[in-house]
Amino acid sequence: DAGVIQSPRHEVTEMGQEVTLRCKPISGHNSLFWYRQTMMRGLELLIYFNNNVPIDDSGMPEDRFSAKMPNASFSTLKIQPSEPRDSAVYFCASSLAEGNTIYFGEGSWLTVV
Amino acid sequence: GESVGLHLPTLSVQEGDNSIINCAYSNSASDYFIWYKQESGKGPQFIIDIRSNMDKRQGQRVTVLLNKTVKHLSLQIAATQPGDSAVYFCAENSGNDYKLSFGAGTTVTVRA
Repeated sequence: DAGVIQSPRHEVTEMGQEVTLRCKPISGHNSLFWYRQTMMRGLELLIYFNNNVPIDDSGMPEDRFSAKMPNASFSTLKIQPSEPRDSAVYFCASSLAEGNTIYFGEGSWLTVV
Repeated sequence: GESVGLHLPTLSVQEGDNSIINCAYSNSASDYFIWYKQESGKGPQFIIDIRSNMDKRQGQRVTVLLNKTVKHLSLQIAATQPGDSAVYFCAENSGNDYKLSFGAGTTVTVRA
């Protein structure tokens, strides 16, 4: 079975540039999560969607970050403009509403120089 | 505030020995707990979960124990293998929504 699919796996970009990270959740899952992982802060929940609707975006650091889920099989996390402190691994994850187990993708490794 | 945390940041274990990874939680409303394994360069991988109406659950070479009295969770790995080297996270869910709160992680290193 295909797991959560993320792209790109690695991205290096210059400060000020726009970054778009993409995610395809596991088919049939109706909750989707974006996490950020850094050495200093560990795993942080940025936003989560249920049935394509953003439920909680309290973890989004600032207005430079935005996330969309136009349909059940696709989501994006956008950073504009990017800054060096945004360098981190960004994970997308999905779950069945009643299962609660969250399955993670392999992550998008972002470096902003 | 409520938090999930790990007792020890690192654990070194001899290959073939059993490993025990501990986790403390403070949210008494938590009713679902998960252990994840994260290998270098990969995403967290589900290992095993347990609900608050249980105190023990076994999987393949892994056992999770839950002590609700002292709000303590542990992961036991039997006959630890080199492939078990990774960072292990405990996570908890209070049941009110779908969010998980993660601990800081314990790095397990298996010595040959």
